[in-house]
Amino acid sequence: GAVVSQHPSRVICKSGTSVKIECRSLDFQATTMFWYRQFPKQSLMLMATSNEGSKATYEQGVEKDKFLINHASLTLSTLTVTSAHPEDSSFYICSAQGGNTEAFFGQGTRLTVV
Amino acid sequence: DQQVKQNSPSLSVQEGRISILNCDYTNSMFDYFLWYKKYPAEGPTFLISISSIKDKNEDGRFTVFLNKSAKHLSLHIVPSQPGDSAVYFCAARDFTGGGNKLTFGTGTQLKVEL
Repeated sequence: GAVVSQHPSRVICKSGTSVKIECRSLDFQATTMFWYRQFPKQSLMLMATSNEGSKATYEQGVEKDKFLINHASLTLSTLTVTSAHPEDSSFYICSAQGGNTEAFFGQGTRLTVV
Repeated sequence: DQQVKQNSPSLSVQEGRISILNCDYTNSMFDYFLWYKKYPAEGPTFLISISSIKDKNEDGRFTVFLNKSAKHLSLHIVPSQPGDSAVYFCAARDFTGGGNKLTFGTGTQLKVEL
């Protein structure tokens, strides 16, 4: 299957700082990328959908000023958690689709805010 | 409003036996269904999918059945192997209402015992 690389896999940051997570499609062009968040023992919750070259569409309840998403190219999308707080600690996962119906997921990023 | 439901949070099966994971949905506009497997601290990996125009799709040890009238799908794994132990998510797509966005169930933890 297609390869989606997410970086970093794990990050610890201080409260109040910002953290950037990258999601790259390595062998296909991702016209759409999705960002999810997973709380312990819960399902994947979609945060936002980004299409290359346009603004991201955020799900209800997700603060767009706090979770900045940039999809500048067909192979890269970034999620920046701004002014992170301990409650932002979670497992963040991206997925990419290139027009096919299957979504390919990155490895996920474990964010811990201390 | 949980449109995709996996009512069994966990399932334990003996090695060599059949594992049956169930998923129910409420949105009759879903046109494509997928199953993903997820290990801890990793992104989900695609397993198998089925279009709403079919009622069965088979790939090796994995078979997905779709009952549209009951809004129910199931994933059969036979024979089950210890390496199948993971969390399994079903997902559904409503292309007309949400583009390629996937709605995930809450997951079922499968444990295959020796």
